[in-house]
Amino acid sequence: GIQVEQSPPDLILQEGANSTLRCNFSDSVNNLQWFHQNPWGQLINLFYIPSGTKQNGRLSATTVATERYSLLYISSSQTTDSGVYFCAVRGSNSGYALNFGKGTSLLVTP
Amino acid sequence: DAGVIQSPRHEVTEMGQEVTLRCKPISGHDYLFWYRQTMMRGLELLIYFNNNVPIDDSGMPEDRFSAKMPNASFSTLKIQPSEPRDSAVYFCASSLGQKAFFGQGTRLTVV
Repeated sequence: GIQVEQSPPDLILQEGANSTLRCNFSDSVNNLQWFHQNPWGQLINLFYIPSGTKQNGRLSATTVATERYSLLYISSSQTTDSGVYFCAVRGSNSGYALNFGKGTSLLVTP
Repeated sequence: DAGVIQSPRHEVTEMGQEVTLRCKPISGHDYLFWYRQTMMRGLELLIYFNNNVPIDDSGMPEDRFSAKMPNASFSTLKIQPSEPRDSAVYFCASSLGQKAFFGQGTRLTVV
């Protein structure tokens, strides 16, 4: 199946700093989503972004489908941004389900 | 909308017992997914349904696992008999179109 690699695996930031999380995938995709898993374990859908750029407040995402990667930008980070960020993709030639990367664990300190 | 609702939130059971996890998808969604999350394997798909019909169950670990969707508003994942290695967080998700929405998960501990 399609492989999803996320980097970095872990990240520690001071409040107010910016960061970029990366997601590489091994095949063409027709669906890519970014999720945030908060410290209570809840998975929140941040973006549906199979291509192009989207912004939502301090978060933005860009997917370059032809080069098989996506980036999640977090600006002016806050302690509430802590948690694990997952990239999930659906391959163009596979079934309907999403395949998840192993995530980037982010800790934002005061 | 209340979102995807899972029950119970936590389950502790003894090895060999039957465990049933429940999920109510978002009304109107036509896809339902069951995922399992562990430290070792991350988030892995177990099975998914489209319009109540199982489409892909290749992720179900073994015959001890079974899932049903008797109607559009309810699904179950059953483990019989349970084993300690089944301990994990089990998530249900639903979608209509492209975005998937997850429930809060059921943390299962098999002792």
